[in-house]
Amino acid sequence: GAVVSQHPSWVICKSGTSVKIECRSLDFQATTMFWYRQFPKQSLMLMATSNEGSKATYEQGVEKDKFLINHASLTLSTLTVTSAHPEDSSFYICSARPGADNQPQHFGDGTRLSIL
Amino acid sequence: QKEVEQNSGPLSVPEGAIASLNCTYSDRGSQSFFWYRQYSGKSPELIMSIYSNGDKEDGRFTAQLNKASQYVSLLIRDSQPSDSATYLCAVRRTGNQFYFGTGTSLTVIP
Repeated sequence: GAVVSQHPSWVICKSGTSVKIECRSLDFQATTMFWYRQFPKQSLMLMATSNEGSKATYEQGVEKDKFLINHASLTLSTLTVTSAHPEDSSFYICSARPGADNQPQHFGDGTRLSIL
Repeated sequence: QKEVEQNSGPLSVPEGAIASLNCTYSDRGSQSFFWYRQYSGKSPELIMSIYSNGDKEDGRFTAQLNKASQYVSLLIRDSQPSDSATYLCAVRRTGNQFYFGTGTSLTVIP
């Protein structure tokens, strides 16, 4: 149980393109989803927390107009990197958790984004 | 002071030995504690959850929690080369407030 699907796994695109990443909880309802990015050999960096039906809460230093997050249903959240540039190249990982208090985060497989 | 601290390692143990990974946290009111394993280039995978003081065993893994001393540890018995990974300690304060450590890199030497 507790499977989180993230798509796509890899994206390579030109500078200036917008890229959408989907995160789905397959066998549970995810009240909350989290978006992280991770640079090589560095730790996870939380970008934003999204609750179904409400605006995402962004961490300090993360541009909300650059990284658009939508959590329209209890099983789907999307992250759109708008007008991506080479410095946005990174490993983006989503996670989701059910609503009950003691539940952990379950991670998707991540999306490796390369901007040329 | 960081919310969650882990020794970054690297920690090297011979195959078959016990690997001991430690984590301390700063908020005494923290409620839930998790260990994740992350292989290089992959996303984290949940391996253990622990909520109350004491030990919790799952196969070769044992999580230990001591709320009075504010530490949580993970023991891996009979370590295998496939256990070589970075281990992340995560602590949930309340609600959706999670804090991750920076991870301990473990290498199991055949």
